[in-house]
Amino acid sequence: KQEVTQIPAALSVPEGENLVLNCSFTDSAIYNLQWFRQDPGKGLTSLLLIQSSQREQTSGRLNASLDKSSGRSTLYIAASQPGDSATYLCAVRTSNTGKLIFGQGTTLQVKP
Amino acid sequence: NAGVTQTPKFQVLKTGQSMTLQCAQDMNHEYMSWYRQDPGMGLRLIHYSVGAGITDQGEVPNGYNVSRSTTEDFPLRLLSAAPSQTSVYFCASTLSGGSGNTIYFGEGSWLTVV
Repeated sequence: KQEVTQIPAALSVPEGENLVLNCSFTDSAIYNLQWFRQDPGKGLTSLLLIQSSQREQTSGRLNASLDKSSGRSTLYIAASQPGDSATYLCAVRTSNTGKLIFGQGTTLQVKP
Repeated sequence: NAGVTQTPKFQVLKTGQSMTLQCAQDMNHEYMSWYRQDPGMGLRLIHYSVGAGITDQGEVPNGYNVSRSTTEDFPLRLLSAAPSQTSVYFCASTLSGGSGNTIYFGEGSWLTVV
């Protein structure tokens, strides 16, 4: 059974710092991996999607990498800002049915 | 383009009552799904659909019913609400089974069962 783990559960950094959020999964047979952002009381906003054949995706200050063989993905945030404070979730799609298996999330606080 | 729209945003139910959470998308997506989010449990799949007339169970389907009569709508029915169904419910959709298709989520429905 596929399991997704995110470490750490919470992270607090000063503004301007570069940081890495980690996501690991137990079964390398994935369809794709998606990173989401969730603000308190809000829905999930898609940040980046990496297909199983890809190694990384970039959007602005965000870079996500995927290493299927080791069952790991990282989300790199450059030059963090207070507006980046949110919970970041990674989710693995294991088939073409659209079903996602989520990690528990990392709650990020960026202090001014 | 409204994306994925969920109603109601907030609802309080008494144990044993029934209700329907509505979900609609205007992106002509084939695939739709319902998740619940609970502290310490993360998001878990309740039911999903790969097209009109086709539904299947996810990880936690008990106590919930779905149908998909149109491409746009995917309502979630609570048959007899229980306190254990107090949760935040999210509807999601994606274009199809392609691995490059992003999954989009609604804003959530906060349900309390007393």
